Amino acid sequence: DTGVSQNPRHKITKRGQNVTFRCDPISEHNRLYWYRQTLGQGPEFLTYFQNEAQLEKSRLLSDRFSAERPKGSFSTLEIQRTEQGDSAMYLCASSSDRGGEKLFFGSGTQLSVL
Amino acid sequence: GQQLNQSPQSMFIQEGEDVSMNCTSSSIFNTWLWYKQEPGEGPVLLIALYKAGELTSNGRLTAQFGITRKDSFLNISASIPSDVGIYFCAGLDHYTGKLIFGQGTTLQVKP
Repeated sequence: DTGVSQNPRHKITKRGQNVTFRCDPISEHNRLYWYRQTLGQGPEFLTYFQNEAQLEKSRLLSDRFSAERPKGSFSTLEIQRTEQGDSAMYLCASSSDRGGEKLFFGSGTQLSVL
Repeated sequence: GQQLNQSPQSMFIQEGEDVSMNCTSSSIFNTWLWYKQEPGEGPVLLIALYKAGELTSNGRLTAQFGITRKDSFLNISASIPSDVGIYFCAGLDHYTGKLIFGQGTTLQVKP
């Protein structure tokens, strides 16, 4: 296993369109996180899964955002009716129960909303 | 809410120099981590700290967990061009399991 994988790496979309990102965590990790990062800022927490259960959601995650992890393996993050303010790097990370504080990040999906 | 403040915001140094940066928090954390991020990539874990006063090294990097549990420090000795990047501190909120990140310190190294 080579680490956390995210697809696509880049996404350009028009305002109002829906987009979906995928994250494949490290295979033995049962925790999966989504973060958002804008230029000049640190990553901001969006949501967190323990296996297939979504345990925590940030108030940053408006009702246009939805994340799933149906079988406790890969996860998807969907943004509906995208807005220009959604433009950011969307980062996925995973960790194990033991050593759960050590998050391993993917390379991210850079979203640009025109 | 919890906030982490990093300083300096950016540094431009000569190759071979030592670097120091710090991170302060408005609240206590029981675990501190330091990450490095390069352009177009996700953050990479450098060092994790678990006890107040702890000093941990990873090669030329040394990090300390402050006694008050509200701060942490990262030192890089004998910097090299590949040290260029953004360094983030992060505190673990044990109650929610979330990592809270600082805004980063950008390091540039002149050969």
